[in-house]
Amino acid sequence: KAGVTQTPRYLIKTRGQQVTLSCSPISGHRSVSWYQQTPGQGLQFLFEYFSETQRNKGNFPGRFSGRQFSNSRSEMNVSTLELGDSALYLCASSYQGLSSYNEQFFGPGTRLTVL
Amino acid sequence: TQLLEQSPQFLSIQEGENLTVYCNSSSVFSSLQWYRQEPGEGPVLLVTVVTGGEVKKLKRLTFQFGDARKDSSLHITAAQTGDTGLYLCAGGPGTSYDKVIFGPGTSLSVIP
Repeated sequence: KAGVTQTPRYLIKTRGQQVTLSCSPISGHRSVSWYQQTPGQGLQFLFEYFSETQRNKGNFPGRFSGRQFSNSRSEMNVSTLELGDSALYLCASSYQGLSSYNEQFFGPGTRLTVL
Repeated sequence: TQLLEQSPQFLSIQEGENLTVYCNSSSVFSSLQWYRQEPGEGPVLLVTVVTGGEVKKLKRLTFQFGDARKDSSLHITAAQTGDTGLYLCAGGPGTSYDKVIFGPGTSLSVIP
């Protein structure tokens, strides 16, 4: 069974640009969650999509948005990039949905650098 | 707001030594998970504990959930170089769906 894949693995952008990251969950998983990981703040929850609907959202500005397609693949978009957006962006999929009871399967992440 | 703290932040030990890392909160969690993240990879789930006082063992790793469900510990016996990584605890209300809060992690380095 293929794991969670994320593309691209590395990305360099400049301030003010926008970026789109992609995540393909494990086959059969309907829930995709996105996280931002930085050395200072750790792993912070961005949002979760389940069957194309955003079910939960973390405390990030509206520049961070996402969507999920009918095949459960998900994209995350960050507009008007700031230096502080440099981070590892992880997506995770689960079969039953985001819960501390359920296992999340993480992808390897996309390393975004904003110059 | 539920927050998780982990200690120590960094730990460097010799192969064969024992160690314990801690995850603490002022809030009660219905369930708590431990993940390990290796460089260049995403976190991988090690265990989920749901009952206060629960102890789970995974080979050389022993996980304990506090009686009050506000804290947890991870004990590693006879550490190996393969145990090197970032250990993250994560908790939540355990409802059918909700956001999961992650601690900042303990970075473990096991030196041969």
